[in-house]
Amino acid sequence: GESVGLHLPTLSVQEGDNSIINCAYSNSASDYFIWYKQESGKGPQFIIDIRSNMDKRQGQRVTVLLNKTVKHLSLQIAATQPGDSAVYFCAENGAGNMLTFGGGTRLMVKP
Amino acid sequence: GAGVSQSPSNKVTEKGKDVELRCDPISGHTALYWYRQSLGQGLEFLIYFQGNSAPDKSGLPSDRFSAERTGGSVSTLTIQRTQQEDSAVYLCASSLVTWPLSYGYTFGSGTRLTVV
Repeated sequence: GESVGLHLPTLSVQEGDNSIINCAYSNSASDYFIWYKQESGKGPQFIIDIRSNMDKRQGQRVTVLLNKTVKHLSLQIAATQPGDSAVYFCAENGAGNMLTFGGGTRLMVKP
Repeated sequence: GAGVSQSPSNKVTEKGKDVELRCDPISGHTALYWYRQSLGQGLEFLIYFQGNSAPDKSGLPSDRFSAERTGGSVSTLTIQRTQQEDSAVYLCASSLVTWPLSYGYTFGSGTRLTVV
């Protein structure tokens, strides 16, 4: 279900390293998954999506991996840059027009 | 419009006063959602509108919170008798009515509400 009242876990990485952000989703019937990036003072923005008939999808510097067996989603960011510092949310679409959001992970990039 | 527009971007109000937050969704998006985000925390669902159907109000935290959507477009979230715990960023999002949701929701930049 939606995250309520959770303090965000933080991932700290060195600039240039790869980042991996993980998410466990709840609904085995979910058919569609999205990663959002939220920068300070802004609303969440779409990064990349994946449908349940795929296990990997690549974008520019980002890759999403889906493991339906264990209901796990990950976002990999290659060569992490200071501009990648943000909060990252996963979301799943189990039915209808509602998304269920994960609790979010704060990514901090050290120069 | 090109994106989801929310106003005001910032609102400071005194405890006990009523506030209205506005959301203009993307043209053609018939689904509209309100979320609340407290400092450093995740997204808390508040309410969902889809077309002319009755809204899903299951996330509203108390009867001081209400929302309406006029003409299937603009939405207003009203908080009556504001309390300090209402301080948060209120995010609005809209989407097409499809399943699965292609590209998910488009979010506005939010209204930062501070109750003093």
